[in-house]
Amino acid sequence: AQKVTQAQTEISVVEKEDVTLDCVYETRDTTYYLFWYKQPPSGELVFLIRRNSFDEQNEISGRYSWNFQKSTSSFNFTITASQVVDSAVYFCALSEWGNNNDMRFGAGTRLTVKP
Amino acid sequence: GAGVSQSPRYKVAKRGQDVALRCDPISGHVSLFWYQQALGQGPEFLTYFQNEAQLDKSGLPSDRFFAERPEGSVSTLKIQRTQQEDSAVYLCASSLFGTSGFANTGELFFGEGSRLTVL
Repeated sequence: AQKVTQAQTEISVVEKEDVTLDCVYETRDTTYYLFWYKQPPSGELVFLIRRNSFDEQNEISGRYSWNFQKSTSSFNFTITASQVVDSAVYFCALSEWGNNNDMRFGAGTRLTVKP
Repeated sequence: GAGVSQSPRYKVAKRGQDVALRCDPISGHVSLFWYQQALGQGPEFLTYFQNEAQLDKSGLPSDRFFAERPEGSVSTLKIQRTQQEDSAVYLCASSLFGTSGFANTGELFFGEGSRLTVL
């Protein structure tokens, strides 16, 4: 079964620092999807990005960037010049082709950005 | 509003009581998911509906958990004879597409959740 590991439970940085959130996954499928979601204090998860396993191109969206490396089964998320509003819990998730009802989430990384 | 709406936001139940949690997905969304999120953990899949059909209930932890979506829109998650271990946030999510392949954008829209505390 698929598994997602987010080894960093909590990270605290000072505003304007760069921060990388790690995500390591396990799957036996060759076709799968990886996701990042943000959960602010209000509770709802907000979709940030989806990658499929065929697309290893890294992506940048404003201050956010993602580094997908199949060789190390990692899908890391970097926030550049962090801001207080980035404070939230971030979840990495994986769903397998043909079983993508069951999106498996990691335990999450709580990011605190201090002013 | 235009988002996924869940009610109640907070529910306190005595052990043994039945509870019902409601989810109002985004209008027109085909897929509806229920997740359970324990404190400090990531969401865990409970069940999935495509329109009114419950296609996957493999994540329901016991037969005390029951979900329905009779008209393919609003869904209710019912927990019978609640136990303390049922205490968690129950998240509902909807998606425009079904999960039959690449047509699924993978973008799930989540509600704010219903926090259940069982005493």
